[in-house]
Amino acid sequence: DVVMTQSPLPLPVTLGQPASFSCRSSRNLAHSDGNTYLSWFQQGPGQSPRRLIYQVSNRDSGVPDRFSGSGSGTEFTLKISRVEAEDVGVYHCMQSSHWPPTFGQGTKLEIK
Amino acid sequence: EVQLMESGGGLVQPGGSLRLSCAASGFTFSQNWMNWVRQAPGMGLEWVANINPDGSAEFYADSVKGRFTISRDNAKNSLSLQMSSLRDEDTAVYYCARGVAYSLDYWGQGILVIVSS
Repeated sequence: DVVMTQSPLPLPVTLGQPASFSCRSSRNLAHSDGNTYLSWFQQGPGQSPRRLIYQVSNRDSGVPDRFSGSGSGTEFTLKISRVEAEDVGVYHCMQSSHWPPTFGQGTKLEIK
Repeated sequence: EVQLMESGGGLVQPGGSLRLSCAASGFTFSQNWMNWVRQAPGMGLEWVANINPDGSAEFYADSVKGRFTISRDNAKNSLSLQMSSLRDEDTAVYYCARGVAYSLDYWGQGILVIVSS
C-alpha cells in the first residue's frame, strides 16, 4: 500500500498568519490516465471530514480561496494564506491513484 | 443538497455482527461509487470498502476482507455494510462517503461502532 506521511504534527499558527501542511507519498501519485489523485480534507472538532482540494490543486465549491494545494510526484502541500479561527481542526491528505486509497495520519492545526 | 446519514452503530461483543446503513439523498445515487471509511478513536482515516454504481463490483481493505460485506439498494438510495467476526480493532466511527473521480466528495456525519466485551 502507498504510505502517506504528513508533517508537522501538530501545527501551531497565529491567527492571520499563513500555514503550510506537508504530505509525502511512498510512491509517485501520477496515475496512468495523466491525473494525480491527491485530495485534502478538513475535519473540524467533532465533525466529519470535508473535502477542500481534489486532484492536487482544485478547490471544492464553497472553499475559501485562502486554501490552495500544490505538488507533484511524491510531495504535496496544502497552504492557508491567512489562518482564521474557523480553520482549527485536523487536515488529512488522501491518495487514490493507487489501490487501495490511503490517508495520511493527519495534521492538527492549533491556534497559538 | 447531498446528504448521507449513517445508522445502525452501537456496542457489540467481539465475534459479533452488526449492520450499518447509509441513507443517501440530494443526488442520483445509482450513478456514484459509494465508500465506507472508518476512524478509530484518536487515529487517522482508513478506507474500508467501496462498491460500484450498479453494485456488481466490491472492493475491500485487507483488514476487513472476508468479514465485511458492502452492498447497495439503488431503488432505496441506500448503502449497507454488514460486519461480522468483529474485533476490538474494528472499534471506530464509520463514515459513508460518495465517490467521484477517484475521490470522496461528500461524507456522512458518521456512526460509532464499539467492539467490547
